[in-house]
Amino acid sequence: DAMVIQNPRYQVTQFGKPVTLSCSQTLNHNVMYWYQQKSSQAPKLLFHYYDKDFNNEADTPDNFQSRRPNTSFCFLDIRSPGLGDAAMYLCATSRWQEETQYFGPGTRLLVL
Amino acid sequence: SQQGEEDPQALSIQEGENATMNCSYKTSINNLQWYRQNSGRGLVHLILIRSNEREKHSGRLRVTLDTSKKSSSLLITASRAADTASYFCATDLDSSYKLIFGSGTRLLVRP
Repeated sequence: DAMVIQNPRYQVTQFGKPVTLSCSQTLNHNVMYWYQQKSSQAPKLLFHYYDKDFNNEADTPDNFQSRRPNTSFCFLDIRSPGLGDAAMYLCATSRWQEETQYFGPGTRLLVL
Repeated sequence: SQQGEEDPQALSIQEGENATMNCSYKTSINNLQWYRQNSGRGLVHLILIRSNEREKHSGRLRVTLDTSKKSSSLLITASRAADTASYFCATDLDSSYKLIFGSGTRLLVRP
């Protein structure tokens, strides 16, 4: 089945230790998104890619970076995680100029 | 910034009852979507309603949109325990295809 896959599902890191979350998709969608969702809150868009064109949200901290080496894969790098970065990170995809987004199961990040 | 506010924040009903959730938003939109999120999981798209539509149905789901009041409602009829989840409305921002999510309604359907 075509899908959006996120690994790992749970990630524990130490304060200040870089961490990378990964997302892959078999839908062949050209748009990929990363959202941060804190407990009992709405998902908040961090950035998105249209193909390799990177689009950062204005209020996304510099601590968050992303890479998209090819259509199928996208990575979220947190350079120096703080306690406030503990959250669920959701990856989503869509076709360009289509409204519906398809979400992965998320990676829950814990910062110790 | 958060575009939508949802009401109620939490809703508990008995299996078989109907559940109604409301969403209000601030700026003009091209469409509004509803997503479901099971605990600790990703979001699943439920239904999309365009700004020129007033009502839409999909199975046990009924969505209405009132652009003059900048509000939408999601009705789930004959609820089941499996409907227990959080429900989010989402609107597009400036026709950009980026989604801004509402604060969500946590629905509990008791068996």
